[in-house]
Amino acid sequence: DAGVTQSPTHLIKTRGQHVTLRCSPISGHKSVSWYQQVLGQGPQFIFQYYEKEERGRGNFPDRFSARQFPNYSSELNVNALLLGDSALYLCASSLAGRSVDEQFFGPGTRLTVL
Amino acid sequence: AQKVTQAQTEISVVEKEDVTLDCVYETRDTTYYLFWYKQPPSGELVFLIRRNSFDEQNEISGRYSWNFQKSTSSFNFTITASQVVDSAVYFCALSEPLIKAAGNKLTFGGGTRVLVKP
Repeated sequence: DAGVTQSPTHLIKTRGQHVTLRCSPISGHKSVSWYQQVLGQGPQFIFQYYEKEERGRGNFPDRFSARQFPNYSSELNVNALLLGDSALYLCASSLAGRSVDEQFFGPGTRLTVL
Repeated sequence: AQKVTQAQTEISVVEKEDVTLDCVYETRDTTYYLFWYKQPPSGELVFLIRRNSFDEQNEISGRYSWNFQKSTSSFNFTITASQVVDSAVYFCALSEPLIKAAGNKLTFGGGTRVLVKP
């Protein structure tokens, strides 16, 4: 079975641009979470979606938005990119996003903002 | 707010030595889950273990073992007889419920980089 997939793997953007990152969860998983991992730090929670509804949002500005589609895949959008948005963006899928559910992480999208 | 602290930023050992990674957490929840993840250079987070707050039994899985002590809010991880392939960054994480029903997020520590030299 395929694991969590993310695209693209790498991305280079300039300040002020916007970016869309994509995630496909494991088959049968209905919840997707997004995390940002700045170099040298642990991942930080951005969003969790379940059945197309946002369940929670971390401490990120409104420039960050996301959505989940009927097939449970998800997009993370970041507008007006800043240098500080350079990071590895990780997507995790789980059955229902509960604390008992193991979160399986994808390989990430490495975003560089110049 | 919940917090996870991994005081060791980097540990370097020679192959076959044992390595113990410390993790201390803070939470007001009475029910919670703790996790350890491994992040090799490829970047993908690999799940290693999940423990719930009611189960304080230590666990051994191959060369890995975990020591959960609720009294000291610690969840330490030991690699026995380390190998070069164990070189990675290891993260301890704590589950935290989201405001909306049943949602959950992970709060990660800063990670400990383990370097195993041949």
